[in-house]
Amino acid sequence: KQEVTQIPAALSVPEGENLVLNCSFTDSAIYNLQWFRQDPGKGLTSLLLIQSSQREQTSGRLNASLDKSSGRSTLYIAASQPGDSATYLCAVNIGARQLTFGSGTQLTVLP
Amino acid sequence: DAGITQSPRHKVTETGTPVTLRCHQTENHRYMYWYRQDPGHGLRLIHYSYGVKDTDKGEVSDGYSVSRSKTEDFLLTLESATSSQTSVYFCAISESQENTQYFGPGTRLTVL
Repeated sequence: KQEVTQIPAALSVPEGENLVLNCSFTDSAIYNLQWFRQDPGKGLTSLLLIQSSQREQTSGRLNASLDKSSGRSTLYIAASQPGDSATYLCAVNIGARQLTFGSGTQLTVLP
Repeated sequence: DAGITQSPRHKVTETGTPVTLRCHQTENHRYMYWYRQDPGHGLRLIHYSYGVKDTDKGEVSDGYSVSRSKTEDFLLTLESATSSQTSVYFCAISESQENTQYFGPGTRLTVL
């Protein structure tokens, strides 16, 4: 059974810092991996989708990498801002129309 | 934002009563999903649909049923609600199983 782990569970950084969020998964047979953002009391907003054949994707200050063989993905956030404060979730697409989610990293960016 | 709405947004009900949650999309996406989100468990798939009248079970389907009679609507029914079904329920849509999933705003359900 695919398991997805995100460490750390919570992270607090000062504004302007570059940071990396980690996601690991146990089965490398994935279609793709998605990173989401969730604000308190809200739904999930898709940030980046990396297909299994890709190594990385970029959107603005966000860069996500994928190393399928080692079962790891990272989300890099450059020049963090207080508005980046949220919970960040990664999810792997294992086929069979299913996403398996990690429990998330709660990020706080301090002004 | 993808056009996804969920209704109701909040509901309090009693154990043993039936409950139906509705997901409505305006994107004409083929795939629709129901997830629940609980502390310590993350998001888990309940049921999904890959077309009108085509549905299948997810990881935590016991106690839930679904129906999809139109492309735009996906209903989740709790036949007899239990306290363990207190959760936040999210609907999601995607064009295909390999594409990005877009999520609705969620429904907070409390079963007393």
